[in-house]
Amino acid sequence: QLQLQESGPGLVKPSETLSLTCTVSGGSISSSSYYWGWIRQPPGKGLEWIGSIYYSGSTYYNPSLKSRVTISVDTSKNQFSLKLSSVTAADTAVYYCARLEKIHLGPGAFDIWGQGTMVTVSS
Amino acid sequence: AIQLTQSPSSLSASVGDRVTITCRASQGISSALAWYQQKPGKAPKLLIYDASSLESGVPSRFSGSGSGTDFTLTISSLQPEDFATYYCQQFNSYPLTFGPGTKVDIK
Repeated sequence: QLQLQESGPGLVKPSETLSLTCTVSGGSISSSSYYWGWIRQPPGKGLEWIGSIYYSGSTYYNPSLKSRVTISVDTSKNQFSLKLSSVTAADTAVYYCARLEKIHLGPGAFDIWGQGTMVTVSS
Repeated sequence: AIQLTQSPSSLSASVGDRVTITCRASQGISSALAWYQQKPGKAPKLLIYDASSLESGVPSRFSGSGSGTDFTLTISSLQPEDFATYYCQQFNSYPLTFGPGTKVDIK
């Protein structure tokens, strides 16, 4: 069955760029039926949607992070990636990648999630 | 952005209890609502989508209802494995938003 796995550094220095990759296995990222997204969760807090991408490269970002976020897709590697620039301690969180159903020309629910990866911003 | 509120923020219940969690949207979202269960150290798990559709493999004791601005997640008979935090999420419009969560613990 389809699985998602996040990878990337667990420690990032303040003001630098956080970079994570999500590898999709057991299915194709190029499916026209899904979007692919990033969600984060600071320690002890709730969930925040960061952004989503379609296999064609169309992107959708949370306005609260839009100026610092770039999400890209590499269909040849069946991966999509997150870059978050100018990080601060407030960006410390567990970062999840997830699949979203595409319904009625828009997003649906997050139906498959990666296990998550903890990223700490500290010098 | 559409804001989601959940009530209660936490509750204590016993095995076998009927549990109801409410999610309210700041504006109408039709039926574009999902419910997730999250256990400590784990990723959220989709329980309900389109407000009332049960995700494949999810026990039938979970049910969802509502449309517009008011939604409910019900667990008909709480089981030991159901102690967790529950989140609602709207997908009616961008930005996608989550509720603050409801923690269900053992009484």
